[in-house]
Amino acid sequence: GDSVTQMEGPVTLSEEAFLTINCTYTATGYPSLFWYVQYPGEGLQLLLKATKADDKGSNKGFEATYRKETTSFHLEKGSVQVSDSAVYFCALSDLANNAGNMLTFGGGTRLMVKP
Amino acid sequence: NAGVMQNPRHLVRRRGQEARLRCSPMKGHSHVYWYRQLPEEGLKFMVYLQKENIIDESGMPKERFSAEFPKEGPSILRIQQVVRGDSAAYFCASSPQQNTEAFFGQGTRLTVV
Repeated sequence: GDSVTQMEGPVTLSEEAFLTINCTYTATGYPSLFWYVQYPGEGLQLLLKATKADDKGSNKGFEATYRKETTSFHLEKGSVQVSDSAVYFCALSDLANNAGNMLTFGGGTRLMVKP
Repeated sequence: NAGVMQNPRHLVRRRGQEARLRCSPMKGHSHVYWYRQLPEEGLKFMVYLQKENIIDESGMPKERFSAEFPKEGPSILRIQQVVRGDSAAYFCASSPQQNTEAFFGQGTRLTVV
């Protein structure tokens, strides 16, 4: 079945540092890939997405490129802020394996940014 | 256009009681998904519903859990005879069509004491 693996946290960075959170996936078909962010006590918000190979999703300074050859969708940001402290989830939606838009999530990576 | 509304935000139940979690999708959305997030874990798919129909319940525990999405009113996730292991955050998401972006609610945090 489908699966998503992302690096375990917590990841602790100083403000303005470079961020990378690794994400790899296994899927039968050609999935869409997503990054969601969860701030403390809140629900999930879609951060960015990519629907086909070599697509780059970007939002709020975050970027991720859909790499089919390495089955990866690593999240990057050039300069993190304290307000970026949250839990980040990588996810996929595989239409070949399900009839709807069900998402398969990774375990989440907690990011802590210190001033 | 209000977002996905879940209530209650926090729910405490004693072992053996029933828990009812409600989800009102965004206006115009007829597809609803429920996910469960155990402490320090990612979200796991439970069930996918379209108005009055269960499309996929492959992630639902076989006993004590049920879900509905009636023609009128919110979607309900019902947990009978709750146990401590049911303590988790339950998230609902909705989408307007089958393969479009789903929007998440803020979740209901269930604590079983």
